[in-house]
Amino acid sequence: EVKLLESGGGLVQPGGSLRLSCAASGFTFSSHAMNWVRQAPGKGLEWVSLISGSGSGTYCADSVKDRFTISRDNAKNMLYLQVSSLRVEDTAVYFCARAPIGSYYYFDLWGRGTLVTVSS
Amino acid sequence: DIQMTQSPSTLSASVGDRVTITCRASQSISSWLAWYQQKPGKAPKLLIYKASALESGVPSRFSGSGSGTEFTLIISSLQSDDLATYYCQQYNSFPYTFGQGTKLAIK
Repeated sequence: EVKLLESGGGLVQPGGSLRLSCAASGFTFSSHAMNWVRQAPGKGLEWVSLISGSGSGTYCADSVKDRFTISRDNAKNMLYLQVSSLRVEDTAVYFCARAPIGSYYYFDLWGRGTLVTVSS
Repeated sequence: DIQMTQSPSTLSASVGDRVTITCRASQSISSWLAWYQQKPGKAPKLLIYKASALESGVPSRFSGSGSGTEFTLIISSLQSDDLATYYCQQYNSFPYTFGQGTKLAIK
């Protein structure tokens, strides 16, 4: 079965850190760029970051630049998002999302998400 | 950043109705636009890419059109299963941006 499964979310204090993980299965992971997209409670979708299939290229939203780092381990079929210097406004469900093979563009497969709550 | 604006924000329609959702970009994005459906408590699901290409497995009652700055998603005959929020997304340039969503209710 083709799927993505996120983990690592939880309750963290402002200024804290977490590492979010996304386990991929059922497809050739290294052939796809991968993304993180977040959704604050009751709000819309916000693209956070992208990493190329090889891991050599990354892009991120200005709102998380210098605080969030995307990475991947193709040998383990794992995607990661290291989130640090967390703010209350980072509270959201974080989805990992796959880009179609050979492109960076849209998101053709999504995980169920992991909730990050930033609160004192 | 490219701003994406959807209209309407909420929509109520009856089963069998034709439903149209509009998405406007703040600058031209050619045909680099996708549409997603998100049901309550679930992850988004890709419906349409490159403005008008139907993703595999998506019912043919969904269609997309447009280019440049104005795009539409049409549901030709609304089904009760279509209760969801719909989002457009541009992938012309980073940062990728989404519309604010259109919440579709069934009358």
